[in-house]
Amino acid sequence: RKEVEQDPGPFNVPEGATVAFNCTYSNSASQSFFWYRQDCRKEPKLLMSVYSSGNEDGRFTAQLNRASQYISLLIRDSKLSDSATYLCVVSSLGGFQKLVFGTGTRLLVSP
Amino acid sequence: EAGVAQSPRYKIIEKRQSVAFWCNPISGHATLYWYQQILGQGPKLLIQFQNNGVVDDSQLPKDRFSAERLKGVDSTLKIQPAKLEDSAVYLCASSSYNPGTSADEQFFGPGTRLTVL
Repeated sequence: RKEVEQDPGPFNVPEGATVAFNCTYSNSASQSFFWYRQDCRKEPKLLMSVYSSGNEDGRFTAQLNRASQYISLLIRDSKLSDSATYLCVVSSLGGFQKLVFGTGTRLLVSP
Repeated sequence: EAGVAQSPRYKIIEKRQSVAFWCNPISGHATLYWYQQILGQGPKLLIQFQNNGVVDDSQLPKDRFSAERLKGVDSTLKIQPAKLEDSAVYLCASSSYNPGTSADEQFFGPGTRLTVL
């Protein structure tokens, strides 16, 4: 079983739609959680951290359920510029930060 | 602030040849990472340095891959000899992470796209 699992998609949605991505992780010792965004042929960039209480950044909302080992990302009012691959990332704090990336979920927003 | 620099951006070699990649992290970042990203997959950590010391190389194929960060700043990753399955993007990242603290953002360089023929 992969340590971080995501639906690879692609998710095809029209502009203005709401879309949700899910991610599960297997290591219960994981301490920190993130969503990274990766545009085609570009490097990953941090989109947002994910906290147990849930957090929001504009149109983006992230949720964490530690009991179910489940992370989600909700994008409201999708824009064409949201088209990218969204990588679910978990980190174990065992002395040194080690990030484990999921395979990513590809989002395509169409006019 | 300058970002993470990597070179070359692209490299094409034949199997069994050697190749080296270079990375210069963001100034002041003590932690440096090398990742391998195969098409359609997420980045996979190869090696992590804290200053000039290796703290995690558990996923580095040590029979062919090597990396160093001699002065605790820039780093090189070498593959010798290359195999077809080494075709991937090699990403370097850095962070100001300090052990024992909460996780810190990693900043990635543009990567080196390696094709092994």
